[in-house]
Amino acid sequence: EAQVTQNPRYLITVTGKKLTVTCSQNMNHEYMSWYRQDPGLGLRQIYYSMNVEVTDKGDVPEGYKVSRKEKRNFPLILESPSPNQTSLYFCASSPSSSQETQYFGPGTRLLVL
Amino acid sequence: GNSVTQMEGPVTLSEEAFLTINCTYTATGYPSLFWYVQYPGEGLQLLLKATKADDKGSNKGFEATYRKETTSFHLEKGSVQVSDSAVYFCALGTGNQFYFGTGTSLTVIP
Repeated sequence: EAQVTQNPRYLITVTGKKLTVTCSQNMNHEYMSWYRQDPGLGLRQIYYSMNVEVTDKGDVPEGYKVSRKEKRNFPLILESPSPNQTSLYFCASSPSSSQETQYFGPGTRLLVL
Repeated sequence: GNSVTQMEGPVTLSEEAFLTINCTYTATGYPSLFWYVQYPGEGLQLLLKATKADDKGSNKGFEATYRKETTSFHLEKGSVQVSDSAVYFCALGTGNQFYFGTGTSLTVIP
C-alpha cells in the first residue's frame, strides 16, 4: 500500500531533551516536507526536500533540523525542544514538486513540558 | 509573498444545504491550488485540485474553479451530508513551497 508513515504518533517529552520524529514513504517520491499544525494557524511548512541531500527552510524552520540521506526517509530533529514546539506534526511527500498533490502521513502529536 | 486566505469558521449547516467556503490567494508565478479535508483525528486527504487558470477540480460532489482574475478558489457543494463534517483547508503550491489557509471547520447537522 502506498503510504507515508510517521513515528512516533504521540510523544511527551521535557524541555531540552533531543528527539527525532521519523518519516518514511514508499512511493519513490522526490519531494518531502514537514508541517506543523496549530489551532487558528492552519499548517505551516517547516522544511522541505527536493531530493536526496537537498533540503531547504520553509516558513517556520527555527528550532528544527532535517536530513535526507535516503530518498524514502526524511526525519525531523528537535535538538533542544521547547514548549512552543508543542504541536501536531505532519510529514508529506509528492512525486517531484510542491505543485503536485502532497500525500500526508497520519501525524505526530508532540507535547513538550 | 505567497499566502492563502480562507473563510473563517466554524460553519454549521443542515443536511442538504448548499455549501460555499471562500478561498483567495496571493502567489508569484503559476501556482497549483488544492482543497484538503481533515476528518476528526485523521491526517489530511486531497479533496480536489486545479493546476491552471479556469480549471475546475471536482470530487465527491465538491467543486472549485481556479479563477486567476479574482485570485480565488472557492469550494462548493450543492447538498452537504452529515459525513462531510470535517475541517477543510485551501492550499497552494508554488516555487518549492506549499502554503495552507487556516482551515474552516464544517459541521453538518441532520
